[in-house]
Amino acid sequence: GESVGLHLPTLSVQEGDNSIINCAYSNSASDYFIWYKQESGKGPQFIIDIRSNMDKRQGQRVTVLLNKTVKHLSLQIAATQPGDSAVYFCAEKIVGRGYQKVTFGTGTKLQVIP
Amino acid sequence: KAGVTQTPRYLIKTRGQQVTLSCSPISGHRSVSWYQQTPGQGLQFLFEYFSETQRNKGNFPGRFSGRQFSNSRSEMNVSTLELGDSALYLCASSSDRDYEQYFGPGTRLTVT
Repeated sequence: GESVGLHLPTLSVQEGDNSIINCAYSNSASDYFIWYKQESGKGPQFIIDIRSNMDKRQGQRVTVLLNKTVKHLSLQIAATQPGDSAVYFCAEKIVGRGYQKVTFGTGTKLQVIP
Repeated sequence: KAGVTQTPRYLIKTRGQQVTLSCSPISGHRSVSWYQQTPGQGLQFLFEYFSETQRNKGNFPGRFSGRQFSNSRSEMNVSTLELGDSALYLCASSSDRDYEQYFGPGTRLTVT
């Protein structure tokens, strides 16, 4: 069946270092892959997404890499800051005619050590 | 532009009761999706409403239901509450243009 999961439940990173959060997926039919950030007491917040026909996409301090051969997705955060501490979710999205279906992974907690 | 709002933010109910949660989407967004978030199961999709019609549904029992009004505001209802229904219930709205979902802060439901 469809599933989206994460390799590491908790990641501790020194402030200023780069962070890499990984995600495995199983549904090759997904149209987009998305990363969300969820801070304590808040709902998930969109960070960046990537279309399934792309390998890499860069945003501000973040880069998402998609490896369709091994069905692997990663989020790289450059120069990690204390404000990056949160739970990060990967998600896959299928877009149909007039609908979308989003399936979330289990989440990775990023702890930034000052 | 105001974000997605959810009311109430916190709720305590006892087993067997029913509960109604409310979600107001971003102005202009016609799609509202509901998710249940628990430590054990993560974020699980409940259902999506668009123009007052449910157009997508997750794998939850019939005790979970929802509706959407003509102003796009949505409610979800859980009847005959069980302890396992304790969770953070999130709603997200999206526009027809890019489907990007914007989440509200959630309603924390505790069933005792």
